[in-house]
Amino acid sequence: EPEVTQTPSHQVTQMGQEVILRCVPISNHLYFYWYRQILGQKVEFLVSFYNNEISEKSEIFDDQFSVERPDGSNFTLKIRSTKLEDSAMYFCAILGLAGGEETQYFGPGTRLLVL
Amino acid sequence: AQSVTQLGSHVSVSEGALVLLRCNYSSSVPPYLFWYVQYPNQGLQLLLKYTSAATLVKGINGFEAEFKKSETSFHLTKPSAHMSDAAEYFCAVSYNQGGKLIFGQGTELSVKP
Repeated sequence: EPEVTQTPSHQVTQMGQEVILRCVPISNHLYFYWYRQILGQKVEFLVSFYNNEISEKSEIFDDQFSVERPDGSNFTLKIRSTKLEDSAMYFCAILGLAGGEETQYFGPGTRLLVL
Repeated sequence: AQSVTQLGSHVSVSEGALVLLRCNYSSSVPPYLFWYVQYPNQGLQLLLKYTSAATLVKGINGFEAEFKKSETSFHLTKPSAHMSDAAEYFCAVSYNQGGKLIFGQGTELSVKP
């Protein structure tokens, strides 16, 4: 099973500040995803990223959000000006093979708290 | 819009009892179906997936799920619950391989000794 790490594990920030969440797959992958889970709610899709381009994004993923793969390994999610409602667990996922079929594997998440 | 419904936000069973977690999806086209488990303070771990090869899918930790097209369901079962099964379980669908996952609201499973 492909491994994915995320940093930081927890982040506390002030409203209006920028945050960058990082995802580091252990091996080479081309397809990445970000999801978030607001406390007590369902996991929601934010964006998918393939071959250095956004392939799909949700309504949540507005101009405050951006993704990039700056150095060919790390995959980042940036929130430019955080709002209270951005407080959530953010999960990165990568597309890997399981039983010959492609499956999304999730990282442990970053818990973001906006004060 | 496509959606996933998990009936019951909390399910409690006794150790050794049958586990049944329900999942229904809304679509006329059979999607790819998944069950993920989330242990406390951890990420999402894939339990099993359905991709049209067989309607009964076996996953890790003794779990299995059956795809029933007529009922648009993909319920998760385990014959005998263990204490270590206590976690939150999420059903999810995707409409193309590698496409975004649409999650249900989750079911928290408690296992009583």
